[in-house]
Amino acid sequence: DQQVKQNSPSLSVQEGRISILNCDYTNSMFDYFLWYKKYPAEGPTFLISISSIKDKNEDGRFTVFLNKSAKHLSLHIVPSQPGDSAVYFCAAIVSNAGGTSYGKLTFGQGTILTVHP
Amino acid sequence: DTEVTQTPKHLVMGMTNKKSLKCEQHMGHRAMYWYKQKAKKPPELMFVYSYEKLSINESVPSRFSPECPNSSLLNLHLHALQPEDSALYLCASSQEPTSSYNEQFFGPGTRLTVL
Repeated sequence: DQQVKQNSPSLSVQEGRISILNCDYTNSMFDYFLWYKKYPAEGPTFLISISSIKDKNEDGRFTVFLNKSAKHLSLHIVPSQPGDSAVYFCAAIVSNAGGTSYGKLTFGQGTILTVHP
Repeated sequence: DTEVTQTPKHLVMGMTNKKSLKCEQHMGHRAMYWYKQKAKKPPELMFVYSYEKLSINESVPSRFSPECPNSSLLNLHLHALQPEDSALYLCASSQEPTSSYNEQFFGPGTRLTVL
């Protein structure tokens, strides 16, 4: 049962345009969401997060939007740059879970973003 | 210092070998994690340490043995691994375990090949 889904395996965008990466979740207990970027043979790099009490969080070129009723979040990158080309993972967590659920990030399958010059 | 470091970067071992992976962070984080990542897949959680105590073991085979000697260090001892255990092993850390919002920061990983 995949609780976090990234339905687009890949996305191709022209440099300078907007990249929109989407993520859906099924577990209504998730209350904190994170985006990670990963280059090949490297560890994931934390990009931006959002709690369920907000619907938008912005950090420079990166903005994450959360639609709780639709159980959907998206990451907007604008303007996109060739260096943004990487795999992007959406992740979710039940922030106040204890016991066997503590610290358990649930990842989506990832979306490969390619930004063309 | 906002880094999680891991050594070695690459490791090749036979099925009868014993080896260890090391992870270190100096951010004062009190939760540390081991993940396994296969190609084209998301990271899979293996173990969680909270205040140097093992709090989660995701039904990992006993040939993987974690150890947390102190709040900055995390080891993963490997013994009698199988070729299917070949993967990228990632270490991560996060702030106070009881904090509500806990970004996990990942190290660069150890690329393990089991022959």
